[in-house]
Amino acid sequence: SQQGEEDPQALSIQEGENATMNCSYKTSINNLQWYRQNSGRGLVHLILIRSNEREKHSGRLRVTLDTSKKSSSLLITASRAADTASYFCLGGGSNYKLTFGKGTLLTVNP
Amino acid sequence: DTEVTQTPKHLVMGMTNKKSLKCEQHMGHRAMYWYKQKAKKPPELMFVYSYEKLSINESVPSRFSPECPNSSLLNLHLHALQPEDSALYLCASSPQGIVTEKLFFGSGTQLSVL
Repeated sequence: SQQGEEDPQALSIQEGENATMNCSYKTSINNLQWYRQNSGRGLVHLILIRSNEREKHSGRLRVTLDTSKKSSSLLITASRAADTASYFCLGGGSNYKLTFGKGTLLTVNP
Repeated sequence: DTEVTQTPKHLVMGMTNKKSLKCEQHMGHRAMYWYKQKAKKPPELMFVYSYEKLSINESVPSRFSPECPNSSLLNLHLHALQPEDSALYLCASSPQGIVTEKLFFGSGTQLSVL
């Protein structure tokens, strides 16, 4: 399976803390994307990191990619209650199977 | 317009009904996708249209029938569904065919099959 797998599957933190979630994948990718989904809604693209990049930042988001370990991590700094959502990774590229990882449910408590 | 619009937002249907889900985007995207998502699970890919041709069918039962009448519109025709088909159905699009760098999602149709 080319499916990514996130861990932890659920994470509960206090507002202001940092949240880290990880994704592993099994085949080669051209890029790794992270998405957020609020309950019962569509997914929103957060950030993309290419296979030749190791780290990327966007606002409070920091994503890393280790192609040798076939893994990526998403760090959300200074979390807010509004960050409460499910987070999914997706391997991208023309030959990738468009399969999302299992997801991490993040709960940020006020 | 940077939205993917799905209608209806909610749908309840019986097992003998025929209904359709509709998805529309006016961003000029050339690939459109149907995903199915059960509660607390990731979205599962069902179909992909690239340049208005069906490119991927993930062995979906024939009671689901996709249609892409033009580059802006994607339909999913439903017939003789089962209760286990109840789920959130998500439509997505991407700019350059299936070379995926970013998927744009609609808000979904919550389907209940009675």
